[in-house]
Amino acid sequence: DIQLTQSPSSLSASVGDRVTITCRASQIIDNYLNWYQQKPGKAPNLLIYAAFKLQSGVPSRFSGSGSGTDFTLTISSLEPDDFATYYCQQSHSTPRTFGQGTKVEIK
Amino acid sequence: QITLKESGLTLVKPSQTLTLTCSFSGFSLTTTGVGVGWIRQPPGKALEWLALIFWDDDKRYSPSLKNRLTISKDTSRNQVVLSMTNMDPVDTATYYCAQTDLMRNVGAFGYWGQGAPVTVSS
Repeated sequence: DIQLTQSPSSLSASVGDRVTITCRASQIIDNYLNWYQQKPGKAPNLLIYAAFKLQSGVPSRFSGSGSGTDFTLTISSLEPDDFATYYCQQSHSTPRTFGQGTKVEIK
Repeated sequence: QITLKESGLTLVKPSQTLTLTCSFSGFSLTTTGVGVGWIRQPPGKALEWLALIFWDDDKRYSPSLKNRLTISKDTSRNQVVLSMTNMDPVDTATYYCAQTDLMRNVGAFGYWGQGAPVTVSS
């Protein structure tokens, strides 16, 4: 199985901050890496697929990068609506796996 | 417009079998590259992938749960059913179904149901 390790597990940030979350895969997954945002009591929402492609309707302050084993989700300027938990997920092979999540909290 | 909705019992007893149905609209599970998966999330914990069924009836399961899971589809009714046997309190979670498309988004889960909370308790 491919393991995904996210860091940090949580962070505190202020509105307007630049936030970076990393996801490391236990083996090469090319660009088969996806990012989701989840708010309490809600289903996850796809933000980025194929490492850097922005899902339709997602604000451009979200961006993704990386390939191989190391990936990054960046929020260029944090908005109040962005406080949530973020998950990476690989679709290179089954079993599909998710990272353990990164909770972005208000400082 | 793609929508998915989970349905099934919200309270099951230990050792019983859980059966969840995902009813969807806005896409066809006969389209090449399309699949429907199940993902669960215990309270306060991370997402866990369970199973996936594709347009060609290819079925994939979580290795740790493979012996307890069965996934099937009814393309005429636009439904996917997940069964999980021998339920235990540790299986208490919100269960989501989600659509994936190998052609459009490299197999990411682009559309999700609202989730079905399941509690396992005697």
